[in-house]
Amino acid sequence: AQKITQTQPGMFVQEKEAVTLDCTYDTSDQSYGLFWYKQPSSGEMIFLIYQGSYDEQNATEGRYSLNFQKARKSANLVISASQLGDSAMYFCAMRASTGGFKTIFGAGTRLFVKA
Amino acid sequence: DAGVIQSPRHEVTEMGQEVTLRCKPISGHDYLFWYRQTMMRGLELLIYFNNNVPIDDSGMPEDRFSAKMPNASFSTLKIQPSEPRDSAVYFCASSLGWGDEQYFGPGTRLTVT
Repeated sequence: AQKITQTQPGMFVQEKEAVTLDCTYDTSDQSYGLFWYKQPSSGEMIFLIYQGSYDEQNATEGRYSLNFQKARKSANLVISASQLGDSAMYFCAMRASTGGFKTIFGAGTRLFVKA
Repeated sequence: DAGVIQSPRHEVTEMGQEVTLRCKPISGHDYLFWYRQTMMRGLELLIYFNNNVPIDDSGMPEDRFSAKMPNASFSTLKIQPSEPRDSAVYFCASSLGWGDEQYFGPGTRLTVT
């Protein structure tokens, strides 16, 4: 069965510091995609970054980078130079062919950025 | 592009009433997804369409839920009859291809009293 695990219900980080949000996944597929989404208090879901299972380099998008460790089945999100506006819920998600390409989401991590 | 558009943004209805949620995906996107988000169960995929055809509706909780996509620019999610446990935020999302990122609408917050 496919599964996404986010073990940190809540995280605190000081403004301007970097923070890592953990995500581990479980799938028997060789081809899959990993995604991170941000959900601010306003409720919308915002796509942040994508990593394909065959991508050799870690994905980066501005201040976001994905630390992809395939052997360990982890896809941690790193946010550099945290800003107050980064305070939100963050969801890790995976899509694989098993299960009909359905995207499954983790339970989320709530990030609090302190001034 | 305006992004994924959902209506209404908020819906309050009484138990037993029919509820219809609407979604307009991003033009050119071939995939459309309906999700439900609750505190207890998180974000759950209800159903998704590819080129207007329902591909997987195994996440639809019961027969009271139905979804249609009559054309590439419009989809509905209907609950009939509604129950208090259906209260949740319902998101519609679309993507270009199956492996591409999904773009979410603002969601519809449904409250069934």
